[in-house]
Parts: sequence; structure tokens; C-alpha cells
Amino acid sequence: EDKVVQSPLSLVVHEGDTVTLNCSYEVTNFRSLLWYKQEKKAPTFLFMLTSSGIEKKSGRLSSILDKKELFSILNITATQTGDSAVYLCAPCLSSNTGKLIFGQGTTLQVKP
Amino acid sequence: DGGITQSPKYLFRKEGQNVTLSCEQNLNHDAMYWYRQDPGQGLRLIYYSQIVNDFQKGDIAEGYSVSREKKESFPLTVTSAQKNPTAFYLCASTRPGATSGANVLTFGAGSRLTVL
Repeated sequence: EDKVVQSPLSLVVHEGDTVTLNCSYEVTNFRSLLWYKQEKKAPTFLFMLTSSGIEKKSGRLSSILDKKELFSILNITATQTGDSAVYLCAPCLSSNTGKLIFGQGTTLQVKP
Repeated sequence: DGGITQSPKYLFRKEGQNVTLSCEQNLNHDAMYWYRQDPGQGLRLIYYSQIVNDFQKGDIAEGYSVSREKKESFPLTVTSAQKNPTAFYLCASTRPGATSGANVLTFGAGSRLTVL
């Protein structure tokens, strides 16, 4: 059975802190791993990772994939209150179906 | 602007009634998906469709039905057989394939269904 586990489930930090969100997975026919940010309604795309060891970076956010150990991390440096959201990790199972399996999400709250 | 439109945003229904949630996309995506989101459980796949007039069950299809008569539209019906229908429903679409940028789901803003 395909399984995706995110940790921690929730996190409260203060502005300026650095956070690391974890995602471990056990899925068949792994194709890639995606990270999404969900503030209120629609999740918005952050990163797609397909190769191990290659860091993807966008501003204060970065992410890396380890296909041998089956995990990914999402780092956020110098957090801001606008980073408060649910962060979702989702392995893509097959390039033909585009099917994603989502983890439970990590709820991040950044206090001023 | 291209995107996905879900309606209604909020819906209240009495127990035992069927309800249909609308999802329309103008992204020219072939594949469309319905997910259900409950607190603390992430997103769970209900149904998906890769092409018009074809769809497959996801992990929690019981009590739901879909149709895909047009590429742009993928409505979801929550039937009275669904035991616990109160949830947040998200529709998404993508361009499946092996090329760069493929399989990145674009989501609608969601429909929140409350069964009284």
C-alpha cells in the first residue's frame, strides 16, 4: 500500500526562524515528488523533484529529494507570517496518469 | 486567465440528498481529479479521468459518482450512499506525461459541503 508520512504534523515558530519539514514515502512506480502550499483553499505548487541530491530553490524556500532513503525535505529560512500555511508533500506515481498521493500535511504557524 | 472554477463554494444539504459539485477548467488539460480533504488527513483521491468519457476510481470512490462528457468539465455527485459527506472537496487538472512540467496539478478553490 502506498504511504506518505509528513512530520511534524504542526509547528509554531517566530518570524525569522528557520524550519525544516519532512516527507517520507513508500510508493510503487515513483515518478517525482511535489510540494504544495495551502493557505486557505487551493493548494499552490512550490516544487517538483525528480532527481536525488539536486536542491531546488525559490527565494527563502528550498527542497531536496533522496530517492535511496525515500524522503524529501522542505526548508524555509527567515520565516515570515505569510509563510503560515499547510504544506503538502505528494509523490507522483506514474507519468501516464499524473496520479498524486498526498501526505497529511504539516501545519506551520509563524508568529510575529 | 486560465484556471479551474469550482462551484458552489459553500453548500448545505440535508442527510439523504444527492448533491453535485461543478468543476470547469479552461487549461486544455486532459486529466482531471477530485480530492476530498478532511482535517488532519491530507487529500484523498475520489475519482480521476484521463480522457473524455473515461474515468477511474480513486482510493475513496464509494458513495460518489462522476461523469466526463466534455474535456473542460468533471462534475462530482455526492450520493446519499456516502456515509460521511461533510468535507472540503478539491478539483484539479493536469497534463500527464513525462515531459518537464507535466503532472503538476492545478487546483480549484474548493467546495465546502456540510450535511445537516
